Amino acid sequence: KNEVEQSPQNLTAQEGEFITINCSYSVGISALHWLQQHPGGGIVSLFMLSSGKKKHGRLIATINIQEKHSSLHITASHPRDSAVYICAVIPNSGNTPLVFGKGTRLSVIA
Amino acid sequence: DADVTQTPRNRITKTGKRIMLECSQTKGHDRMYWYRQDPGLGLRLIYYSFDVKDINKGEISDGYSVSRQAQAKFSLSLESAIPNQTALYFCATGETGGYYNEQFFGPGTRLTVL
Repeated sequence: KNEVEQSPQNLTAQEGEFITINCSYSVGISALHWLQQHPGGGIVSLFMLSSGKKKHGRLIATINIQEKHSSLHITASHPRDSAVYICAVIPNSGNTPLVFGKGTRLSVIA
Repeated sequence: DADVTQTPRNRITKTGKRIMLECSQTKGHDRMYWYRQDPGLGLRLIYYSFDVKDINKGEISDGYSVSRQAQAKFSLSLESAIPNQTALYFCATGETGGYYNEQFFGPGTRLTVL
């Protein structure tokens, strides 16, 4: 069983739709990352959070540590949001590297 | 200039050949990582290094070796490439005590083993 599960695996949306991508994890963590992988392959960090909610432009990330769950929301989606979104967690066990989910492939159609 | 660079960006090679992928960083970070990405499997950790004298195996180290030549350089070698090592390879860096163990990724190397 993967320690980090994302859903859905694939998502197609119409431009303007509100999008939610979910991440559940089974280990205790100190923080969680959301990453974006562009169609060309490059990976960038969107958010790092350990509690509550963060917002950047049309992107919102929330986390519930007790429920071991995080969501990434995209408001007013646009075709340029099409990418793979990856959840990664930092386990509590000291210097353990990041543990990644398999990613959610999002396609936003105009 | 990119902070984390990988060379080559694309490589096609034949089964049995030795291949080296190189990663350099100008961020001054002490931690460096090598990942591979396969469709449907996400990023998997091959090796990581927390400083020049520290090398650790990751989830899928078999068939790979690494060298940390300097703080800024971390190379990944495939001693005898095989077709199932065809994948996208990423190098990443991070800083001990850095913000939430943030990692910074290179642009990736697409490796095809025929």
